[in-house]
Amino acid sequence: GAVVSQHPSWVICKSGTSVKIECRSLDFQATTMFWYRQFPKQSLMLMATSNEGSKATYEQGVEKDKFLINHASLTLSTLTVTSAHPEDSSFYICSARPYGGITGELFFGEGSRLTVL
Amino acid sequence: AQSVSQHNHHVILSEAASLELGCNYSYGGTVNLFWYVQYPGQHLQLLLKYFSGDPLVKGIKGFEAEFIKSKFSFNLRKPSVQWSDTAEYFCASLLSGTYKYIFGTGTRLKVLA
Repeated sequence: GAVVSQHPSWVICKSGTSVKIECRSLDFQATTMFWYRQFPKQSLMLMATSNEGSKATYEQGVEKDKFLINHASLTLSTLTVTSAHPEDSSFYICSARPYGGITGELFFGEGSRLTVL
Repeated sequence: AQSVSQHNHHVILSEAASLELGCNYSYGGTVNLFWYVQYPGQHLQLLLKYFSGDPLVKGIKGFEAEFIKSKFSFNLRKPSVQWSDTAEYFCASLLSGTYKYIFGTGTRLKVLA
């Protein structure tokens, strides 16, 4: 099946620094990628929808200046957590919808665990 | 607003026991429903999906789910679980008219050998 890879899997940073997480579709092109956040024992919450070559669409309550999303190519989307604070510590998961896909099936990355000290 | 709910948060079973995980959705129109599984340390994988047609959907690894429109349910079943089925299971629905997913809170299944 299609593979989506996230990097890094784990990241620890100091409060106030910025962290970039990459999401790559390895064997397919993805016109649309989605970024989710998962808190412990809670569901995946959609943060934003990333479309190649255009600005991301953020869900209500998600700060676009805090969570910068770039989808520069059909195989790469990045999420940058700017000026990270301990409350930004979470598990971030990306998913990708294949170009031309008609079933709505998404393929998920392994997730990236961010810990802000 | 559309929502997906999973009532079983933790389930513990012995091997060979039968499994049924509940999933209810709130939308009254056309729905597209999914079950995903996340094994420890791995990414989410699709188990099965329902878009239309036969309400009994067969998935991978012996899983199946039944779409019951009158009950707004899409429960996941497996007749006989194995230790390797230990994982977290998520029910999801496509938000109508979009490619956005709405996830349930997940059910952690532990199968005892």
